[in-house]
Amino acid sequence: ETGVTQSPTHLIKTRGQQVTLRCSSQSGHNTVSWYQQALGQGPQFIFQYYREEENGRGNFPPRFSGLQFPNYSSELNVNALELDDSALYLCASSFGIPTGNEQFFGPGTRLTVL
Amino acid sequence: KQEVTQIPAALSVPEGENLVLNCSFTDSAIYNLQWFRQDPGKGLTSLLLIQSSQREQTSGRLNASLDKSSGRSTLYIAASQPGDSATYLCAVRRRDDKIIFGKGTRLHILP
Repeated sequence: ETGVTQSPTHLIKTRGQQVTLRCSSQSGHNTVSWYQQALGQGPQFIFQYYREEENGRGNFPPRFSGLQFPNYSSELNVNALELDDSALYLCASSFGIPTGNEQFFGPGTRLTVL
Repeated sequence: KQEVTQIPAALSVPEGENLVLNCSFTDSAIYNLQWFRQDPGKGLTSLLLIQSSQREQTSGRLNASLDKSSGRSTLYIAASQPGDSATYLCAVRRRDDKIIFGKGTRLHILP
């Protein structure tokens, strides 16, 4: 059984560019959630995908978008990057909604926007 | 709106001491509460998960308690070691399945 993986581990972009982050969920999981963690803060919920449909969204602008694929892996896309988008982006996978089943976190992608 | 607060924001204690980290939350309608450890620049490591029907969970030197009615949880670390130095995050799972995190407590164990 493989855990949650994320790619890339680090990424440097310039303001105005677009970025795609990827997450492979743990085997058997069909739900993926994305979080943004700014320096010195706790992670903030961005959105969740369940069986390829968005299932809830946090307080993030529309330039943050996502996809979930039939194999339940997921992408987070951010358009028109801003300096404040610099953060650690975490994804977490679980089974089913809303069940309270434990979410398992990946190692994160560190995004730096210059 | 669920808010999670962790006190203190930072803590330094000598090696070998027992310590308690505190977490409070405003809405008791939760599925569970989870404690995580985060090393600098790294992802989250799950330490303990307490379901809403449970009062505590233990793993090795760690013990977490949950008092849902008062909106409080504590993480007790026994016989602290320098390797315990990290940021500890408390997170509650709302009934809509979203996880709300506190800002964490930065723990430094002095050798």
